[in-house]
Amino acid sequence: AQKITQTQPGMFVQEKEAVTLDCTYDTSDQSYGLFWYKQPSSGEMIFLIYQGSYDEQNATEGRYSLNFQKARKSANLVISASQLGDSAMYFCAMENWGNQFYFGTGTSLTVIP
Amino acid sequence: EAGVTQSPTHLIKTRGQQATLRCSPISGHTSVYWYQQALGLGLQFLLWYDEGEERNRGNFPPRFSGRQFPNYSSELNVNALELEDSALYLCASSNAVLGRKRYTEAFFGQGTRLTVV
Repeated sequence: AQKITQTQPGMFVQEKEAVTLDCTYDTSDQSYGLFWYKQPSSGEMIFLIYQGSYDEQNATEGRYSLNFQKARKSANLVISASQLGDSAMYFCAMENWGNQFYFGTGTSLTVIP
Repeated sequence: EAGVTQSPTHLIKTRGQQATLRCSPISGHTSVYWYQQALGLGLQFLLWYDEGEERNRGNFPPRFSGRQFPNYSSELNVNALELEDSALYLCASSNAVLGRKRYTEAFFGQGTRLTVV
């Protein structure tokens, strides 16, 4: 069974500090993709970063990086230099070999000025 | 290039009525996913269509149904509406291709906010 687990319902971070949002996944597939999405209060889902299961290096996109530990089946999102606009819900997702997407329950991040 | 479009943006129905939600995927995308997001909660998987066929459905009662048309647009129907069906319904599309090593992200529409009164 495929499963995404985000154990942090809510997180707080001081502006300009770094924050790590946790994500673990469970799959028997050898090939899969991992994604992080941001959902501001407006409700839109914004794609942030992608990591392929075969990628040897951790993905980075600007202030976002994905700490991929395949053996531990974890794909944590690291946001550096937090900004007030980073306050939002963050969802970890996985696309399996059969192309179905699975989403975690999300983490609510609040950036404190 | 147009993104995923959903209509209507808002929908208000009374309990017991039927609701129809529509989604147009990004051009070239064959897969459409439907999710329900109740207020303050995560995404609950509803349905997945690809190439006109239902590939999988989540743990929802049969009154939640849908279809995908030949142009890959999709419709979600909710019959016998209940108050707890009030939620944001998100549609996403992707260019699902089996056998690849690089997965592409799902693109989301703005959602339809369904309110059942």
